[in-house]
Amino acid sequence: DAKTTQPTSMDCAEGRAANLPCNHSTISGNEYVYWYRQIHSQGPQYIIHGLKNNETNEMASLIITEDRKSSTLILPHATLRDTAVYYCIVRVLQGAQKLVFGQGTRLTINP
Amino acid sequence: DTGVSQDPRHKITKRGQNVTFRCDPISEHNRLYWYRQTLGQGPEFLTYFQNEAQLEKSRLLSDRFSAERPKGSFSTLEIQRTEQGDSAMYLCASSLMSTSPGGEQFFGPGTRLTVL
Repeated sequence: DAKTTQPTSMDCAEGRAANLPCNHSTISGNEYVYWYRQIHSQGPQYIIHGLKNNETNEMASLIITEDRKSSTLILPHATLRDTAVYYCIVRVLQGAQKLVFGQGTRLTINP
Repeated sequence: DTGVSQDPRHKITKRGQNVTFRCDPISEHNRLYWYRQTLGQGPEFLTYFQNEAQLEKSRLLSDRFSAERPKGSFSTLEIQRTEQGDSAMYLCASSLMSTSPGGEQFFGPGTRLTVL
């Protein structure tokens, strides 16, 4: 079973920052937080991952709370192409290799 | 194109027929995964290979399903005696085993199976 809770859907205006929350209150000390997204009719795409420090790459920023029980994915300047289902996943880096997806958040970027 | 490729992209079959899907991972990746995704749900793990060895199988993978990766490169997923409940998108992913942070999985476009 997925270990994360996400809102079912969110809307954001084009050009604004999209902030997607994720709760993972049972996360273990050796589990990372991963984010993937799935654009309609495509396979999931890796976005970013982190352990306890905030992370940023060319796609997004990941903010993890100090207690690690929740995190927020930030798309700084959302475009229409960012419309997708966003999945928050917790997993250990070594050992179990499978990704356990929940239902994700359906993010719609509006013009 | 150096991404994960899957063939065919779409397959329509009649109940009771056998189908086989192929996945070609990113060339240097030694791990390969199969997932299944039904409408409105997130992908569900089916099985994974490290090189040619099948290391984990989900209980979702009934005895009608078999996966192979004979030379540690491409993989096939066969479904025998298909049922309407097998209708889904079948996704393949690959990754590079690494001891450093990363190891993210790269997904192919999927094969959409429709069983009539």
